[in-house]
Amino acid sequence: SQTIHQWPATLVQPVGSPLSLECTVEGTSNPNLYWYRQAAGRGLQLLFYSVGIGQISSEVPQNLSASRPQDRQFILSSKKLLLSDSGFYLCAWSVGVYRGTAYEQYFGPGTRLTVT
Amino acid sequence: AQSVAQPEDQVNVAEGNPLTVKCTYSVSGNPYLFWYVQYPNRGLQFLLKYITGDNLVKGSYGFEAEFNKSQTSFHLKKPSALVSDSALYFCAVRESGAGSYQLTFGKGTKLSVIP
Repeated sequence: SQTIHQWPATLVQPVGSPLSLECTVEGTSNPNLYWYRQAAGRGLQLLFYSVGIGQISSEVPQNLSASRPQDRQFILSSKKLLLSDSGFYLCAWSVGVYRGTAYEQYFGPGTRLTVT
Repeated sequence: AQSVAQPEDQVNVAEGNPLTVKCTYSVSGNPYLFWYVQYPNRGLQFLLKYITGDNLVKGSYGFEAEFNKSQTSFHLKKPSALVSDSALYFCAVRESGAGSYQLTFGKGTKLSVIP
């Protein structure tokens, strides 16, 4: 079966510091990968998605970036955190076939980021 | 553009009573519709999806959802609520055949099941 891991689970960082959040998927190959941010325990905002190694699409311009160095690894980074970057960050994966397919996304446990 | 509306921020229901969490959507073409549940400080868990075919979709934990094309709705239902069903529920939509992988999520409905 497939599993998705995220770490760290919680993180407290000062404003201006760098960020690196990691997500890995097991039990599947060539997945689509996604980064979401959830603010105030409610709506989800898609930040980035990737359909393959080195292929990153950004949905929202901001001071965050994403990379996919390996097939099942997805990293969210920032060079300098802002207070507004605080939130709950969720990684997700789906079967990566064609854009028209209805494959559901499966979410990781999330990382709670607090920028102080 | 695609969108989802969950008109109720919170739904309260007594244990053992039927529950309904409402969702309406807007897409240009045919929709793919999803329901997810989120427990506090956890990731979202997939419950069920509608692609095509039977309008009544059955999912995990006894949940089901009814697709109504004329009303552009996809309400989540359960015949008998449990206290453990208390959580945050999200409806999501994507247009079939669209050039984007993006799921559009509603803002979520907090379900409280009262013992």
